[in-house]
Amino acid sequence: GAGVSQSPSNKVTEKGKDVELRCDPISGHTALYWYRQSLGQGLEFLIYFQGNSAPDKSGLPSDRFSAERTGGSVSTLTIQRTQQEDSAVYLCASSEQRGDTEAFFGQGTRLTVV
Amino acid sequence: AQRVTQPEKLLSVFKGAPVELKCNYSYSGSPELFWYVQYSRQRLQLLLRHISRESIKGFTADLNKGETSFHLKKPFAQEEDSAMYYCALSRSGGFKTIFGAGTRLFVKA
Repeated sequence: GAGVSQSPSNKVTEKGKDVELRCDPISGHTALYWYRQSLGQGLEFLIYFQGNSAPDKSGLPSDRFSAERTGGSVSTLTIQRTQQEDSAVYLCASSEQRGDTEAFFGQGTRLTVV
Repeated sequence: AQRVTQPEKLLSVFKGAPVELKCNYSYSGSPELFWYVQYSRQRLQLLLRHISRESIKGFTADLNKGETSFHLKKPFAQEEDSAMYYCALSRSGGFKTIFGAGTRLFVKA
């Protein structure tokens, strides 16, 4: 594809509902990241996938958050029992395996929990 | 542990003034350093990387291993430079890229 694609672009959900956010990385990129960006704030690392290795989940803020990456490509970030403080822009990025390469970001999913 | 520190959350300068966005890192090996930028309503994107030793949009950054710094500089700021800037650290071999918390640059007319 032309770049990293995320869907939906915007999501409004009621407090307590579950949501799924999708990321389609650039074809061939083995590294995939999820970040959270709260209003006016910086990047908060959530989770990192690298090839077939076990994901680095050290940034997930609670057990309500989970992510999977099927077939080494598409990734889904799931937030269960959403809370108002989960409202943020969720960014996905992908890169080649080598650490010295550029990370390409998606446009983000703006999640609003009402 | 690897860490990237951007001490300023917000930096405000006047148009035409020099600007320096600070970045310090902690890593014992040979790091790969990057600066990323996010303009309003645009995707976060790479601005420059230290291995390229290039100037992009008038910005330069020099890796100082002695001070473990990678400050981003521009001699004359422009209004269109207003954006969020992130310093990032990685290393070769499939290790994750670590981002700093970001600095919002505001260039006033």
